[in-house]
Formats: sequence, structure tokens, C-alpha cells
Amino acid sequence: ETGVTQSPTHLIKTRGQQVTLRCSSQSGHNTVSWYQQALGQGPQFIFQYYREEENGRGNFPPRFSGLQFPNYSSELNVNALELDDSALYLCASSPGTGDGKTQYFGPGTRLLVL
Amino acid sequence: GQNIDQPTEMTATEGAIVQINCTYQTSGFNGLFWYQQHAGEAPTFLSYNVLDGLEEKGRFSSFLSRSKGYSYLLLKELQMKDSASYLCATSNDYKLSFGAGTTVTVRA
Repeated sequence: ETGVTQSPTHLIKTRGQQVTLRCSSQSGHNTVSWYQQALGQGPQFIFQYYREEENGRGNFPPRFSGLQFPNYSSELNVNALELDDSALYLCASSPGTGDGKTQYFGPGTRLLVL
Repeated sequence: GQNIDQPTEMTATEGAIVQINCTYQTSGFNGLFWYQQHAGEAPTFLSYNVLDGLEEKGRFSSFLSRSKGYSYLLLKELQMKDSASYLCATSNDYKLSFGAGTTVTVRA
């Protein structure tokens, strides 16, 4: 186990609703990255938070937003849910940002949008 | 952008060796990660290559050629528990870009 935890484990929402997913990083890690993994695909980078600031963002619309707290835990918020948002959402923590910093993944939250 | 290719599926026999190839074309590249992902679980870190050459770690080895945009993961002495998806990911500063994964099935 990596020490990265996520909640909830599963979630069912309907189109148009909003959702908040949570992640607690491994002890000593100040960086959290979020990924979306559709069935049969590799994870796609959403964004990264480093010391409470967004450090980089992938090709996702603004309705995907996030926060990082002083204890380095993080939230992913998705507004106006669409059917295509159904996926496994993974967070990964690392001891800093930049080259060579291995990212350790949590177990994920499986979101189903109906 | 990132373009990362790896085979979709591979099947091998228990005790055998399997090599999973990964080719990449990226706008920025710092290193290459391999992760293992069992069905319904999170990816777990296997290896990281930043320099050309072979890195050996027990039954698993990973190779990188930066000039060719090529890497492979070598799994030796396959065990049933090695049945999983193997993800190749390029690293560019803060983010990982993943391939779609190679599903390896180990048969008795």
C-alpha cells in the first residue's frame, strides 16, 4: 500500500450534478496530482497541486477544479457532470514536483454518471 | 503533445519471459515510468528510467533508449500474480503521460 487514501470509493451521480472527491497524500508528500482513467485506457492528467497552488493542468475544461489544503490533502471538484465523466479518478502524491519524483497512487474513486 | 504506443494484450506461460515494448513521441521528455495495475486497483510503481540502458530490479527489468524513443519492460520467471495491465508513462516536469496499457495474461 502507498499510504494514499481516497474517498469515497464509489459514487453514482446524475448528469448536471456536482461532485467532490477527496485525497489524503502519503506522509511527507507535498504534491498531489489527479488523473482520470476511462475503462480500458491509461490515466489522463487533470492537474497537479504543489504547496496549495495549482502547478500544472492537462486538457480538461474549467468545470474540473481542485484545492489543496495546508496538510497537503486535496479535493477534485467536477461541476455540471456529463455522461463521459464516468471513470476511475486517481490521485497520486509525490515528495515534491519536477523530474524523477515518483508518483504514488491511491485506490481511486469510481464515478458513474447516469 | 504526447503519443505513447504499447501493445494491447500479451499472453505468456507461467515461468516464461515476456517483453512489453513502448514507443513514444513527446514534446518534452525527462524520463520514463512503468506501473503495474491489477484490475480494479491503483497503478503501482515498478521502475523509472532517465538514462539510456537497462535497470534491473529482481524479476523485472526496464530499458530505455532516448534517441529511439523506445523502452521495454522485461518480466522474468512469470507468476500467475503478474497477470495485470502494465502502463508505460513519460515524465515531463510535473506530469505523467500514460499509454493505454498492455494487459498481460499468465497461463499455467
